[in-house]
Amino acid sequence: EPEVTQTPSHQVTQMGQEVILRCVPISNHLYFYWYRQILGQKVEFLVSFYNNEISEKSEIFDDQFSVERPDGSNFTLKIRSTKLEDSAMYFCASSETQTGLSGYTFGSGTRLTVV
Amino acid sequence: DAKTTQPPSMDCAEGRAANLPCNHSTISGNEYVYWYRQIHSQGPQYIIHGLKNNETNEMASLIITEDRKSSTLILPHATLRDTAVYYCIVRVAGSGNTPLVFGKGTRLSVIA
Repeated sequence: EPEVTQTPSHQVTQMGQEVILRCVPISNHLYFYWYRQILGQKVEFLVSFYNNEISEKSEIFDDQFSVERPDGSNFTLKIRSTKLEDSAMYFCASSETQTGLSGYTFGSGTRLTVV
Repeated sequence: DAKTTQPPSMDCAEGRAANLPCNHSTISGNEYVYWYRQIHSQGPQYIIHGLKNNETNEMASLIITEDRKSSTLILPHATLRDTAVYYCIVRVAGSGNTPLVFGKGTRLSVIA
């Protein structure tokens, strides 16, 4: 079964450093998303991406964050100048259709720890 | 998107059917009901969705009441691996990139 692949599985970084989280969505999917989950809290939407541009973003997704699809397969989330409160699981997802009726497929996540 | 209400937790004996309720009394005619689950700290997993008819797939069945104000996800023979947080989400069809919004869900514990 096709999978969304995320790397690394765990990233430790010092406060103030930049991190790039990587995702390889399912190959025929066109819509891409980033979510995060702080330990013990809800899964929160960050951003959606289609046709090489951001479609929607939450208030969490401020100037500290950026997304990019640098080539035909990768989808990245960059966090500039990380803060302690950025520590969370970050999930990438993709969907085939605009309606998402076929469901989102999520990756297994990157655990980001900011120290 | 309409709001959903789910019990915070439920237990189910292994091998028995797990029936997870969801209330969505303000659902509108073009909103689908989706169910996802999250096992431990893994990424959420799509289970099933429906508009007004009952739906069944290899994972579960979805029963939607005639007035569409509530639904039940049924895992027919729960196993220990079904222990997870289950999310009921209501979302407009054809809403483009309007994202899925996760609530707190129901924590299902399957007990041996």
